Amino acid sequence: SYVLTQPPSVSVAPGQTATITCGGDNLVIRRVHWYQQRPGQAPVLIIRDDTVRATGIPERFSGSKSGDTASLTISGVAGGDEGDYYCQVWERNSDHFVIFGGGTNLSVL
Amino acid sequence: QLQESGPGLVKPSETLSLTCTVSGGPVSSGTDYWSWIRQSPGKGLEWIGYVYHSVFTSYNPSLKSRVTIMMDKSKNQFSLRLNSVTAADTAVYYCARDQNYLDVWGKGTTVTVS
Repeated sequence: SYVLTQPPSVSVAPGQTATITCGGDNLVIRRVHWYQQRPGQAPVLIIRDDTVRATGIPERFSGSKSGDTASLTISGVAGGDEGDYYCQVWERNSDHFVIFGGGTNLSVL
Repeated sequence: QLQESGPGLVKPSETLSLTCTVSGGPVSSGTDYWSWIRQSPGKGLEWIGYVYHSVFTSYNPSLKSRVTIMMDKSKNQFSLRLNSVTAADTAVYYCARDQNYLDVWGKGTTVTVS
């Protein structure tokens, strides 16, 4: 089955830039989506289709992809950005499975 | 908006049943998939399956033998049934609208198997 690999954790000082990566085989041909999950809350879509910010998401959040690695970049990180971040793709085999990465916990030092 | 509902406690070997009520648009929209996702305590997100066009479904292979997802257009709802539950099925269960990306989520409901 298809696997998306994320680092378990990323730490960054306030005001700095955080980058969270998501890797997978042939990711270049798949559309990658990103979710933020604050503690105790439901996930929220922040980036869809590799680079498109979801409605209401600040410009501080951006997505990119190079080859088989997608990246979520958060500039000017603040305490409110702490939480877990997940990447996701559709695995377009015969049953169109929804695949999540294992998640990355972002902590603000 | 999406809202999950159902029992918060289920006994081992019994069936977990949850409903997701959709407001603000028809659940029978031909372009939308409707998904269930769960999150075990301290773990990541796990996709359970989806329903679309009222009758077509797709399930996570690891749960396929125990899962049924259905849609009730008259009530603008879709539902999840998970048979033969064990403690490993204890989780927060979310419903979401799926357009290749999951853009609308319910708040989640906690189900404990004990």
